[in-house]
Formats: sequence, C-alpha cells, structure tokens
Amino acid sequence: DTAVSQTPKYLVTQMGNDKSIKCEQNLGHDTMYWYKQDSKKFLKIMFSYNNKELIINETVPNRFSPKSPDKAHLNLHINSLELGDSAVYFCASSHKEVVKTEAFFGQGTRLTVV
Amino acid sequence: GESVGLHLPTLSVQEGDNSIINCAYSNSASDYFIWYKQESGKGPQFIIDIRSNMDKRQGQRVTVLLNKTVKHLSLQIAATQPGDSAVYFCAENTSGTYKYIFGTGTRLKVLA
Repeated sequence: DTAVSQTPKYLVTQMGNDKSIKCEQNLGHDTMYWYKQDSKKFLKIMFSYNNKELIINETVPNRFSPKSPDKAHLNLHINSLELGDSAVYFCASSHKEVVKTEAFFGQGTRLTVV
Repeated sequence: GESVGLHLPTLSVQEGDNSIINCAYSNSASDYFIWYKQESGKGPQFIIDIRSNMDKRQGQRVTVLLNKTVKHLSLQIAATQPGDSAVYFCAENTSGTYKYIFGTGTRLKVLA
C-alpha cells in the first residue's frame, strides 16, 4: 500500500564510504524528487526527474548521483561520504506538472556519517 | 546547503483554540501552494493546497488563505487537537520549474 517507499530508513556509515538509497513509487507519477532535510528541519530540493530524465540539479556536489532506471524508481548514490552529508533524505513523487497536485513523500532515510 | 542562521519558530496553542501559521513565499510567479504537516520521524504529509487564482480554500478544520499582493500564505486550524502537534511547512510551485520550494517551517505545540 505504501505510495512512496525508500530504503533503508536508517543508514550509519563512515566517512569516505559510498552508499545508496533506493526509492520506489507505485502512484504512476511522472516526476520524482530527492530532498535533503538538515538538522534545523529545512527542506531543500536536490534533484528532480521527469520521465526518467534529469530536470533539476540544485548545485549538488557531483558526489551525489541520482539514477532513474524507470519512471517508478529514483535511487540516490553518494560517493566519498562526508560528515556534512548527515541529514534526512526524502524521496517524493508527483504527477506531471500540468496537473497541479501535491508531491507525495516517503518516510525518509536518516543518514549519519561518522 | 544548510539553513545557517535560521531557526524553527514555535507556536504554542491551548487545546481547543484556533491556530494560525504564517508563511511568506519567495516567487511572485508561483501559481500553486501547499501546506504540509511533518510529524516526528515521518515524511511531510499533504494537508491542503490552493491555486493562485483563489484566495481562500477550506478543508476539514483547516483553511488556507493566500494574499498574492504581499506574497503571504496562512494556515488556520480550528479547534486545535494534540494530534495537530507537528512541524508545518508551506511549499510553492511555479509552473515549468519541476520543484516545490519549502518555507522554513513552524513547530506547532498543542498544550493540554
């Protein structure tokens, strides 16, 4: 039943490691997003994809590489993890833009880099 | 980047009172607005939305007001309940941008 699901929910890793977060939506949406939420709860967009194509890359370091194998999936791979990457990462999806509807969010992945 | 210098404002209200949460949005070209509720350990959840051709929209116990002249959005919650305790965000969308821009959020605390 879960509309937007992301795994894992928690991720603790050492600096310098490479990790991936997976996201899947079963809503039939065309557009998917990655957001980063910092310790002050500020939500900032990182990437958006429409029909598997990258639309937005909001000045995210190229250590972050999203991949969309199909419209229902948008994964996030992070290389050479740094302490400052610690945050909660949210995947979201929405209908194509001409249909004005809200974005649906996953439960988040809390990434802790030690 | 990080929200350096910003803090999460808190609104404390007595149970049963009405709550008003305000938001200033950034882009005068934004044409769609959403209020989200985020409970601890969860993702943002949709509460109510409004398009720029409207100035008021009502839902169940919630009302959103839009003032495009001053780029201001508000969320009114009637008869606030303990379950309303959460962080509330406004978000704006501008057609063609493929993104929702979030405000800084307000923490609502409901006092018994």
